[in-house]
Amino acid sequence: DAKTTQPNSMESNEEEPVHLPCNHSTISGTDYIHWYRQLPSQGPEYVIHGLTSNVNNRMASLAIAEDRKSSTLILHRATLRDAAVYYCILAGWTGANNLFFGTGTRLTVIP
Amino acid sequence: NAGVTQTPKFQVLKTGQSMTLQCAQDMNHNSMYWYRQDPGMGLRLIYYSASEGTTDKGEVPNGYNVSRLNKREFSLRLESAAPSQTSVYFCASSLAGTQETQYFGPGTRLLVL
Repeated sequence: DAKTTQPNSMESNEEEPVHLPCNHSTISGTDYIHWYRQLPSQGPEYVIHGLTSNVNNRMASLAIAEDRKSSTLILHRATLRDAAVYYCILAGWTGANNLFFGTGTRLTVIP
Repeated sequence: NAGVTQTPKFQVLKTGQSMTLQCAQDMNHNSMYWYRQDPGMGLRLIYYSASEGTTDKGEVPNGYNVSRLNKREFSLRLESAAPSQTSVYFCASSLAGTQETQYFGPGTRLLVL
C-alpha cells in the first residue's frame, strides 16, 4: 500500500515560514504527491501537487526529494488562516486502492 | 458554479434505520468519491466511481451501498445504520481518475443512536 507518514502536529509563529514534511518511501513512479488542507468544520481543500520537480503556486511551494521518497510543503509566511490539518497523499492511476489520507499534520499558528 | 454539494448537512438516525446521502457536482467531472471522517481521524475512502456506471470499493465499504445515478450525482446509502457509522461523510469529485485533484463538498454530519 502506498502510504505517507507525517508528524502529528507542528507550530509556527505568524508571518514566519513553515516547512511541513511528508515521507512516502513506497511511492511508485506514476504516483503524484498531493497536499490538501482541512480547516475546522470544513471539507479538505487542494493546496498543491507535483510529480518530480518542485512546484510553486499562490498558496504554497512543494519541494520533492530527488529520490521522491519524501516531500515538504512550504508556506512562505504563515497566517492565522493557515491553521489547519494538512494531508499529504499519493495519487496514482491505480484507482481506489491507492488513496490514503492518514491523520495529517495539525498546524497551529501562534500570533 | 456551486462545485460539490451534499444533502443533508446533518442527520440523526436510530440504529437499524436507513438513509441516503446525496452528492452532486456541476464541474462536469468524471470521477466521484465518498469518504468518512471519524473524530480526530483522517479521511477513509468508502467507495469510488471512476465514471458514470462504474463503482469500486475503497478502504471501508462494509455497511454501505452507492449509486452513480448519472455524471453529476453519486449517492451513498446506509441500509441499516449502526452506531459505528456515526461520522462526517464527505463527497468529492475529480476531472478524470484518482491522479487528479479532488474537490470536496462541505460534508454531512451523521449521528446514529
